[in-house]
Amino acid sequence: NAGVTQTPKFRILKIGQSMTLQCTQDMNHNYMYWYRQDPGMGLKLIYYSVGAGITDKGEVPNGYNVSRSTTEDFPLRLELAAPSQTSVYFCASRTATAEQYFGPGTRLTVT
Amino acid sequence: GQQLNQSPQSMFIQEGEDVSMNCTSSSIFNTWLWYKQDPGEGPVLLIALYKAGELTSNGRLTAQFGITRKDSFLNISASIPSDVGIYFCAGPPVQGAQKLVFGQGTRLTINP
Repeated sequence: NAGVTQTPKFRILKIGQSMTLQCTQDMNHNYMYWYRQDPGMGLKLIYYSVGAGITDKGEVPNGYNVSRSTTEDFPLRLELAAPSQTSVYFCASRTATAEQYFGPGTRLTVT
Repeated sequence: GQQLNQSPQSMFIQEGEDVSMNCTSSSIFNTWLWYKQDPGEGPVLLIALYKAGELTSNGRLTAQFGITRKDSFLNISASIPSDVGIYFCAGPPVQGAQKLVFGQGTRLTINP
């Protein structure tokens, strides 16, 4: 199993551009999550999904959108990128016993 | 929102020393998770605990689920340089169990 994979690893965006961060898991987990982590800080939940077709907001959803058309994929969309969205983004999926497994992260810089 | 209080926030130790850190909550948890995050990497799950009083080991790491269900402890024995990193406790609260609550992290630094 590859686990949770994320692409790209790094990206630089100009203010106002948009992009999609990709996340795929091959563990057949129903639950998937997007977090952001600012330098020296903890993880903040952006959006999560409890299954295909179902998504819900976390604590910092503004400026982001998600979709979940399949069990495997949970892309995160940034529209009109802002400097405040400069961060490291982690995707995770969860087992039935609540263990979350994280991807390697996408480091995003908005200038 | 609900928070986990993790202590200490940072530790500076000599190689070979043992390390202890803990995590407390004002409400009960049914599961405790311990993660390690290396610089520039995603968190990696070290140990998962499911029952009050449970003691689980993973190599030199040992974690315990407190009997009150409001705390958990992580010990690292005979520390080595690759133990450097940030250790997080986490758990799904009883209310809102789809999400995890995280501790603030313990940053471990080891002097060779």
